[in-house]
Amino acid sequence: EPEVTQTPSHQVTQMGQEVILRCVPISNHLYFYWYRQILGQKVEFLVSFYNNEISEKSEIFDDQFSVERPDGSNFTLKIRSTKLEDSAMYFCASSERGYSNQPQHFGDGTRLSIL
Amino acid sequence: AQKVTQAQTEISVVEKEDVTLDCVYETRDTTYYLFWYKQPPSGELVFLIRRNSFDEQNEISGRYSWNFQKSTSSFNFTITASQVVDSAVYFCALKGGGNTDKLIFGTGTRLQVFP
Repeated sequence: EPEVTQTPSHQVTQMGQEVILRCVPISNHLYFYWYRQILGQKVEFLVSFYNNEISEKSEIFDDQFSVERPDGSNFTLKIRSTKLEDSAMYFCASSERGYSNQPQHFGDGTRLSIL
Repeated sequence: AQKVTQAQTEISVVEKEDVTLDCVYETRDTTYYLFWYKQPPSGELVFLIRRNSFDEQNEISGRYSWNFQKSTSSFNFTITASQVVDSAVYFCALKGGGNTDKLIFGTGTRLQVFP
């Protein structure tokens, strides 16, 4: 079964450094998402992306965050200057269609640890 | 405002017991979508089921069943004859029917099944 893949599985970064998290969505999916889960807490929406544009973002997704689809397969989340509170599990997801009952399929996540 | 409440933070059962995970949601949308996801100890988020607001038919899939009741804004999940492999955190999630793809997650219920 096709799946969303995320790399790396674990990223350790010094505070203030830039980090890029990578995702390869399911190939025929057109809608892409990032969520995060701070340890022991619920999963929170960050951003949705369609047709090379951000379609929706949460208040968490401030100017430090950006997303990009640099080629036909990858979808990346960049955090420009990391803070301690950015430590979390980051999940990428994709869906075939948006604004519908189509489920979002999640990757295994990247655990980001900021020192 | 949209909200998902999973009042049970942790449930422990012995193998072969039946267990029901509660989910109560709030939304003003007339069309909306509900989902259950499983997060095993390995950390990934696995899609289990979706339900449209206009489809109140309950569903059974093997040992899993879901009870959607619009009148009480609940979408409960029952595991029959639980197994150790069912041990995980289970998240209920809501998506509105308008121009949004944002999944709003509950805080999750940690299910521990002991042999």
